[in-house]
Amino acid sequence: DTGVSQDPRHKITKRGQNVTFRCDPISEHNRLYWYRQTLGQGPEFLTYFQNEAQLEKSRLLSDRFSAERPKGSFSTLEIQRTEQGDSAMYLCASSLSWDTNTGELFFGEGSRLTVL
Amino acid sequence: GIQVEQSPPDLILQEGANSTLRCNFSDSVNNLQWFHQNPWGQLINLFYIPSGTKQNGRLSATTVATERYSLLYISSSQTTDSGVYFCAVDRGSTLGRLYFGRGTQLTVWP
Repeated sequence: DTGVSQDPRHKITKRGQNVTFRCDPISEHNRLYWYRQTLGQGPEFLTYFQNEAQLEKSRLLSDRFSAERPKGSFSTLEIQRTEQGDSAMYLCASSLSWDTNTGELFFGEGSRLTVL
Repeated sequence: GIQVEQSPPDLILQEGANSTLRCNFSDSVNNLQWFHQNPWGQLINLFYIPSGTKQNGRLSATTVATERYSLLYISSSQTTDSGVYFCAVDRGSTLGRLYFGRGTQLTVWP
């Protein structure tokens, strides 16, 4: 296994369009996370899954954002009706943990979104 | 949420120099990780260090959880060490959430 992979790496879209990002975690990891990073800032938590269950969502995740992990393997993050403020790097991470600790997180290379 | 402060915000070094990066956090934490973000944006794991000291080559880290800080040491720096170094903590009570600092931007000149 080569780590967490994300697709696409770059996406340029016009305001109002929908975009979808995919994340494939490390295969044995049960937890999957989405973070967002804007220029000059540290990553901010969006949501996380344990297996197929979405267990926590940040207030940053507006109604236009939806995330799924239908079979407890890969995950998708969809943004509907994109706005210029959605321009950011979207980072996916995975970990193996069964208790209240996050475990050690491993990040993918990210998907950079530019909304024109 | 928990506050994570990193210092210094920027650091410029000549190749071969040593440096210390600091991470302070405002509450007790279960875990702490140090990452290096490369120029392409990927976060590379450096240390998973809720407490104690670890070493990996030229890098080492120490976390004193009771005093709410962690230090990352880089010795004999190389140009490839350039990038942003992030500290991130996990409170345990908020499942799944890592809180990141704003990072230290390190530039190493040849």
